[in-house]
Amino acid sequence: GIQVEQSPPDLILQEGANSTLRCNFSDSVNNLQWFHQNPWGQLINLFYIPSGTKQNGRLSATTVATERYSLLYISSSQTTDSGVYFCAVVGETSGSRLTFGEGTQLTVNP
Amino acid sequence: DARVTQTPRHKVTEMGQEVTMRCQPILGHNTVFWYRQTMMQGLELLAYFRNRAPLDDSGMPKDRFSAEMPDATLATLKIQPSEPRDSAVYFCASGLRVTRAYEQYFGPGTRLTVT
Repeated sequence: GIQVEQSPPDLILQEGANSTLRCNFSDSVNNLQWFHQNPWGQLINLFYIPSGTKQNGRLSATTVATERYSLLYISSSQTTDSGVYFCAVVGETSGSRLTFGEGTQLTVNP
Repeated sequence: DARVTQTPRHKVTEMGQEVTMRCQPILGHNTVFWYRQTMMQGLELLAYFRNRAPLDDSGMPKDRFSAEMPDATLATLKIQPSEPRDSAVYFCASGLRVTRAYEQYFGPGTRLTVT
């Protein structure tokens, strides 16, 4: 099946810093989503982005489908950005099954 | 504010007992997914339904797990009998069709502990 790799696995920032999270995937995709799992365990949709670029406030994401990677940018980070960021994809032969990466654990210190 | 709802949020039970988890998808979403999250395996798909019909339950242990969608507003996941290795967070997600795929929205999860 499709493989999803996220980097870095852990990231510690000071409040106000910027960061870039990366997601590599091994095959063509029909769907790519970024999620934030907050410290209470809730999975929050950030972006649906199988290709192209989107922005939402301090967050933006870019997927280059032909090169099989996606980037999530967090600018002016806040302590509430802490948690785990997951990239998840649906491969073209995977039906509708989301395959998740292992996540990036982000800690933003005040 | 449309959201996926799940009940119960927490469940502690003894080995051998039946566990039923419920999910109400977002109104208008015709696809429902069940995922399980553990420290060892991460997030993995158990089963999913479209228009209430099961499409893929290959991730689900068939001998003890069952998933149904009795109507468009309710999906259930049952474990009978439960075992300690079933301890995990179970997420339901509902899907909105976007071009070739479904954008999935997750509920808050049911944290199951089997002792």
